[in-house]
Order: sequence, then structure tokens, then C-alpha cells
Amino acid sequence: AQSVTQLGSHVSVSEGALVLLRCNYSSSVPPYLFWYVQYPNQGLQLLLKYTSAATLVKGINGFEAEFKKSETSFHLTKPSAHMSDAAEYFCAVTFSRRALTFGSGTRLQVQP
Amino acid sequence: DAGVIQSPRHEVTEMGQEVTLRCKPISGHNSLFWYRQTMMRGLELLIYFNNNVPIDDSGMPEDRFSAKMPNASFSTLKIQPSEPRDSAVYFCASSLATSGSTDTQYFGPGTRLTVL
Repeated sequence: AQSVTQLGSHVSVSEGALVLLRCNYSSSVPPYLFWYVQYPNQGLQLLLKYTSAATLVKGINGFEAEFKKSETSFHLTKPSAHMSDAAEYFCAVTFSRRALTFGSGTRLQVQP
Repeated sequence: DAGVIQSPRHEVTEMGQEVTLRCKPISGHNSLFWYRQTMMRGLELLIYFNNNVPIDDSGMPEDRFSAKMPNASFSTLKIQPSEPRDSAVYFCASSLATSGSTDTQYFGPGTRLTVL
């Protein structure tokens, strides 16, 4: 069965610092991986997705993620955090089945 | 485009009552998904439709839950009778399914259900 694990339910960084949110997947076949962001009381918005075209994926708002097959990871990064990045971030995976399986989420706090 | 539309945004009801959640997918999309978000279980798929046909309903908790998609522009999720443990945020998402499985799902704002 497909699954993703997000390490760290809460991450706190200072404004301007590097953001690193971790996601590991388990799979016996090549996965399709996604990062979504959820702002308070809102739905989920796609940040970026991995579709096997390139291992380094650039998304919106300056985020990017690198697919590392050897580490079964798809960590999300941003060089410099902004206050507006405070939200909950979800890693998700799908294979042939189109529905997404989500990780448990990581809440990002950005301190001034 | 208006995006995925869900109604109501908030619903408060009493245990035992019937609850109906509604979703209008993005025009032209052919796949529709219902997810539920709770603190305990996170985001989990309830059911999804492709071309108005239910494909996978293995996530539907029990017979109290039912979902329909009578046409390409409308879906409902019904809970009858409702119970306090059904309290959650219910999301609808839609996508344009192509030959691969990398279709982006677009989420609605969700319906926050509280069952007293």
C-alpha cells in the first residue's frame, strides 16, 4: 500500500531562514508526489508535483522539492521564509489509483 | 473559473439528523473526490467518481454515508443518521483525469460539520 510519512508535526523557523519540511514515501512502484498547502479555514492548494520529468521540482511561492529515489524522500524547501508562509503543509502520493494518500501534515510557524 | 464550490460552508446539526453536503466541481473536470479531515485521522479519501461513476468507495465509513453524482456538475455526500464522531471538515476536489495519474486535484473550501 502507498503511504507517506511527514517527520515533524510542527516546524518553527525565523523569518528569512531556510524552510525544510520532510516527506518520505513507501512504494514498490514509481510514485507521483505532491505538496499541498492549507491556510487556516481554507481548502488545499497545490504547491508542486513530481511527475518523473525532473527530480527537482519548482513550485509556487518560491518552494521547491527534490525527489530522491535512493532515500525515498521528497522534502520541501524554501531558501528564505516569509511570514505569509505560515500554514499547514501536506505531502501526498498516488500511483495508478488517482485518489491521493496524504501525510499527517506539518504546521509551519514563522517567527518575526 | 469559480473553482470547486461547496455548500454549506458550516453545518451544525444534532445527532440523528440527516446531513447533506454539496459540491460543484470545476467545469470540464471528469473526476470528483470527497475527503474528510479530522485531527485524529488527518485527511482521508471517502469516495471518488470518474465520469459520474463511483470508482472507489472503500473509504466510506459505514452505511450511514452515501454519495451520489447525478451529473457532471453536481455531487452530494449524505450522512443519515449523523453522529458526533462524524464532526469533521469535508472537502470536495475535482480533476481532469487523463491517461496518467498525475492530474492535479483542485480542492473546494470545505464544509465544517459539527454534530452535537
